[in-house]
Amino acid sequence: SAVISQKPSRDICQRGTSLTIQCQVDSQVTMMFWYRQQPGQSLTLIATANQGSEATYESGFVIDKFPISRPNLTFSTLTVSNMSPEDSSIYLCSVGTSGTYTGELFFGEGSRLTVL
Amino acid sequence: SQQGEEDPQALSIQEGENATMNCSYKTSINNLQWYRQNSGRGLVHLILIRSNEREKHSGRLRVTLDTSKKSSSLLITASRAADTASYFCATDYPGTYKYIFGTGTRLKVLA
Repeated sequence: SAVISQKPSRDICQRGTSLTIQCQVDSQVTMMFWYRQQPGQSLTLIATANQGSEATYESGFVIDKFPISRPNLTFSTLTVSNMSPEDSSIYLCSVGTSGTYTGELFFGEGSRLTVL
Repeated sequence: SQQGEEDPQALSIQEGENATMNCSYKTSINNLQWYRQNSGRGLVHLILIRSNEREKHSGRLRVTLDTSKKSSSLLITASRAADTASYFCATDYPGTYKYIFGTGTRLKVLA
């Protein structure tokens, strides 16, 4: 299993600003994923973050808007840039713990962002 | 898109009754998982079923998978008020490590 800590847990931000969300895992993991959950909706995958390489973004998400860092096997950050009210969502960090084998995902508690 | 469709979108039952949620998906998969989310918090893994499995049990949970129909169901038996949550299925893209989440079912169990 893995224990994931996300910071901040919630924030209220002004339009046009940027916010960086941190994800810390208590063990080394290969795959980290960032999801967005808009109010009352399901989870949408933003990107896959692999250590030592560029993040891989899903359709509809771009690096300029959601830059991701993955400096080591236990940490990642997601920045939401130039925020607008449409970015108000819960952002969730997730990891898989089975190396190259796809197993269960573990999630942080999420970072709830409100953009005014 | 790959995203699974779940039905019903919302379900309200009395404590002690069984709750059944269904998930349909569009392309072939290796694995299908079910997750629970309490009131906008992080997701908790419930059960994983592989494409070569048809049924799996875990406590009060029973999951079935029909790959010919591209569908899965989650049954919660003898429901409790604490089971009130949103439930999501998640399917993987074969050849990748990504999981795509379904639309979710909001379950309310009335005491």
